Amino acid sequence: LAKTTQPISMDSYEGQEVNITCSHNNIATNDYITWYQQFPSQGPRFIIQGYKTKVTNEVASLFIPADRKSSTLSLPRVSLSDTAVYYCLVGILNDYKLSFGAGTTVTVRA
Amino acid sequence: DAGVTQSPTHLIKTRGQQVTLRCSPKSGHDTVSWYQQALGQGPQFIFQYYEEEERQRGNFPDRFSGHQFPNYSSELNVNALLLGDSALYLCASSLVGTHRDFGAGTRLSVL
Repeated sequence: LAKTTQPISMDSYEGQEVNITCSHNNIATNDYITWYQQFPSQGPRFIIQGYKTKVTNEVASLFIPADRKSSTLSLPRVSLSDTAVYYCLVGILNDYKLSFGAGTTVTVRA
Repeated sequence: DAGVTQSPTHLIKTRGQQVTLRCSPKSGHDTVSWYQQALGQGPQFIFQYYEEEERQRGNFPDRFSGHQFPNYSSELNVNALLLGDSALYLCASSLVGTHRDFGAGTRLSVL
């Protein structure tokens, strides 16, 4: 399983863009990159998933360079409600046995 | 359309006791996975059930067992509880090949 490294914490202010980079140097050919968001005392929530280049949905964008050894989750114009832990997972598509790392705690301030 | 529901929301047990946690998957989902999340850590995979059978298992002892019923709901059983079993237990449901939808979890405290 590809090991991931992401920052422990990040601080931001309302209205700013937040970019969280995840390193996964030993990503395999069949691996996908998936991001989840988790609020305190709730289960993780799927945000976005991608294989290469750029993926965008209504809440975030995922940028994956050509070598796929890292990826960046971009949250545009964050609000206080975006304060949460964000997890990067790398593995075969929707591999349910993937465990989550420690994640990145994003704190958005007014 | 209800999402993944778990019961109870909170539970207090003492060491050595046994506990059963319950999960109803999101409508239309047929696969259920269970995770343990200790304070300050990410969820760790316990096992997955599909077609009423355990299909995959993480690095958890046999004290952790489960069951899936014909209606796709599932139970997680933990025997001989240890203090270290205190955690948030999360259930996730999915269709094979799709991402997981998680429930809000059951907070288990072992005293």
